[in-house]
Amino acid sequence: AQTVTQSQPEMSVQEAETVTLSCTYDTSESDYYLFWYKQPPSRQMILVIRQEAYKQQNATENRFSVNFQKAAKSFSLKISDSQLGDAAMYFCAYRSLLRSNRSGYALNFGKGTSLLVTP
Amino acid sequence: DGGITQSPKYLFRKEGQNVTLSCEQNLNHDAMYWYRQDPGQGLRLIYYSQIVNDFQKGDIAEGYSVSREKKESFPLTVTSAQKNPTAFYLCASSSHGTPGGYTFGSGTRLTVV
Repeated sequence: AQTVTQSQPEMSVQEAETVTLSCTYDTSESDYYLFWYKQPPSRQMILVIRQEAYKQQNATENRFSVNFQKAAKSFSLKISDSQLGDAAMYFCAYRSLLRSNRSGYALNFGKGTSLLVTP
Repeated sequence: DGGITQSPKYLFRKEGQNVTLSCEQNLNHDAMYWYRQDPGQGLRLIYYSQIVNDFQKGDIAEGYSVSREKKESFPLTVTSAQKNPTAFYLCASSSHGTPGGYTFGSGTRLTVV
């Protein structure tokens, strides 16, 4: 089974600064999807960004971008110009493309990183 | 508007009782999933279903049961065999045709009293 590791339980950033959240994963598959989800205090899961493994270009969504290093199995999230509303739990997730995969199409999540944004 | 509805938002259970958490979607999604969330543990997969009348165990299925009689519905029963059921439960759905299109419900907080 694929494992997803987020080595930073907590991170802190000042408003308007940049922060990078780390994520590594383990897989023997060559094609897959990677995601970053945000969970604010409301606990609603919000998709931040998605990356297809076959695409070499790093995904970008406004202030959010990823550094996808396929060979190193690393998928970090960079948040630029941090805002108070960015404070939340951030989860990295892996999705297989194989329906026969042990977890089917389910997302495998890391344990999360709690991001604190200070004024 | 399409989405996933989980109910109830809060649920209290006495020890030894079975309880059922509801999850309904009107997105015409093929697959549905149940996750459990505990502090410091992330989201762990309990059960998933890729088509109607079929479901598979996830990583922590012991003490739980599900059914998928309709495409729209995927209820989760927390049985008395579940030793530590107090947790936040999230339901999600996705379409096989759009790998990025996961939709999550707003969750149910289950507390054993």
